[in-house]
Amino acid sequence: AQKVTQAQTEISVVEKEDVTLDCVYETRDTTYYLFWYKQPPSGELVFLIRRNSFDEQNEISGRYSWNFQKSTSSFNFTITASQVVDSAVYFCALSVGRDDKIIFGKGTRLHILP
Amino acid sequence: GAGVSQSPSNKVTEKGKDVELRCDPISGHTALYWYRQSLGQGLEFLIYFQGNSAPDKSGLPSDRFSAERTGGSVSTLTIQRTQQEDSAVYLCASSLAMGGGFAYEQYFGPGTRLTVT
Repeated sequence: AQKVTQAQTEISVVEKEDVTLDCVYETRDTTYYLFWYKQPPSGELVFLIRRNSFDEQNEISGRYSWNFQKSTSSFNFTITASQVVDSAVYFCALSVGRDDKIIFGKGTRLHILP
Repeated sequence: GAGVSQSPSNKVTEKGKDVELRCDPISGHTALYWYRQSLGQGLEFLIYFQGNSAPDKSGLPSDRFSAERTGGSVSTLTIQRTQQEDSAVYLCASSLAMGGGFAYEQYFGPGTRLTVT
């Protein structure tokens, strides 16, 4: 069975601090995809990144970076120099190659305090 | 370009009534998904469509829930004899395709907030 665990329910940091959101996944499939989505207070989920299981290279996009480690089944998301606009709920998700569902974690609510 | 749209944005209904929620996906997206998000909770997968077919209906909470998609475009989620526990935000998403070993990213609509009184 597939599962995504986001152990951090809620995190609060002061603006300009770095923050890492953890994501641990479970699957026996060798082909799978991992995603991160952002849900700002307005409610609409926004796609951030997709990573396939064969590409373990870390990715950086501006202040966002993702660390994919198959050895620990983790796909962690770091925001550098956080800003108030980063306040949102962040979801990690998993899709396996032979299935058509995307399994979402329960999300981490991130508060960036001014 | 136009994103995923959902209507109504808010719906208040009395327990026992039927409701219909509509989703209009991004043009050209063959895959369409319905999720439910209860207050402070994650996303609960309900059903997805590839074209007009729904290969996996296992996420529907009960037989009061049904969904259809016509013309490979608009989808309707129907909840019959609504119960208070059906109160949630119902989210629709679409993607270019699904299956075949590749997962495209999903684009989400703004959701329909359903309140059953």
